[in-house]
Amino acid sequence: DAGVTQSPTHLIKTRGQQVTLRCSPKSGHDTVSWYQQALGQGPQFIFQYYEEEERQRGNFPDRFSGHQFPNYSSELNVNALLLGDSALYLCASSPVGAPANYGYTFGSGTRLTVV
Amino acid sequence: AQTVTQSQPEMSVQEAETVTLSCTYDTSESNYYLFWYKQPPSRQMILVIRQEAYKQQNATENRFSVNFQKAAKSFSLKISDSQLGDTAMYFCAFIPNDYKLSFGAGTTVTVRA
Repeated sequence: DAGVTQSPTHLIKTRGQQVTLRCSPKSGHDTVSWYQQALGQGPQFIFQYYEEEERQRGNFPDRFSGHQFPNYSSELNVNALLLGDSALYLCASSPVGAPANYGYTFGSGTRLTVV
Repeated sequence: AQTVTQSQPEMSVQEAETVTLSCTYDTSESNYYLFWYKQPPSRQMILVIRQEAYKQQNATENRFSVNFQKAAKSFSLKISDSQLGDTAMYFCAFIPNDYKLSFGAGTTVTVRA
């Protein structure tokens, strides 16, 4: 049973560019959350998607946007990249109504470097 | 707003010994869930142990156990019989009813042979 898969694993972009990161949730999970983890810090919540809609959003600017597809997979888009956007981006999935019971299942993340 | 504080940036322990990681949190919610996650160099966040706030009994998973003090808003993790594979960053995390998982800053644990 595949867990959460993220692509790509590493990415280098230039300031001002746009980037799209992808996530496929664990089988049986329909809720996807995205986190940003700066080096040496804890992950910060970006937003969560359920039923193809943004359910909750953390304290991130509108440059960060997302999408969820009918098969529950999700994309994270970041526009007008800044050097400070360099981080590990983690995707986490859970069955609806049960993240508190089981915690989230995380992928291995995408390491984004902005130069 | 919910906050999670881990006051120990780094801990070092000899193989087979015990180490305890501290975590405090702040919330006005009455029901919530607490977690410890492990993040090895492979980067994947792995769930170590989970505690439900309405349960007084401390959770245990093999060599991992917690000391949950609800009144003090404290949630420490004890790793017994430490193994080299326990070397990782450990994060305390908290979920209130809104399903948003909040993490502490992490504690790097190094197990020495």
